[in-house]
Amino acid sequence: DADVTQTPRNRITKTGKRIMLECSQTKGHDRMYWYRQDPGLGLRLIYYSFDVKDINKGEISDGYSVSRQAQAKFSLSLESAIPNQTALYFCATSDSRGVADTQYFGPGTRLTVL
Amino acid sequence: AQSVTQLDSHVSVSEGTPVLLRCNYSSSYSPSLFWYVQHPNKGLQLLLKYTSAATLVKGINGFEAEFKKSETSFHLTKPSAHMSDAAEYFCVVSPNYGGSQGNLIFGKGTKLSVKP
Repeated sequence: DADVTQTPRNRITKTGKRIMLECSQTKGHDRMYWYRQDPGLGLRLIYYSFDVKDINKGEISDGYSVSRQAQAKFSLSLESAIPNQTALYFCATSDSRGVADTQYFGPGTRLTVL
Repeated sequence: AQSVTQLDSHVSVSEGTPVLLRCNYSSSYSPSLFWYVQHPNKGLQLLLKYTSAATLVKGINGFEAEFKKSETSFHLTKPSAHMSDAAEYFCVVSPNYGGSQGNLIFGKGTKLSVKP
């Protein structure tokens, strides 16, 4: 969905490096999310934000941090990357005024930690 | 606790035959339910959603799903598979209570293969 963009789309890095993944949206939604996808495990929630001043940990937040710089921007950081953080990362957005919290996903960032 | 179980990790059908992807859920509250599709090297696209209106939900590309509360199921069907349907499909539940709003719980996915 072009309304939700993620940068970079692919990244290869080394153990111990700091990495930031960025997400921007033009949908005007107030809620944003970060997920990681691993083969056979579906998507798991890392962090979510219901507005600029509201940040919440998800199921697997250890080793990650986030920043909600503006309503349209939500970035995910790996302070010191490790190989088991190799995964496909998705950003998503939803509108609290919408129906059933339907979430709209970005195209994903494939991260490889060597 | 809320959970989603996709009963098949891989389903293979021939083009033109029906598709059935099975999903069972567990939720203490009246949930919202979704099916998302992920084509290779693509993001997730919403196929359809159930929000306590009609129990038979029609989605995009000819897919539909039926909410059966007594069976706690939300199976995805399509009468006739097309080659372009080959993808991974995720059943998702949103528990719909208090602080959980917005927290989606994903199944582990079902990979659909379509043979010519």
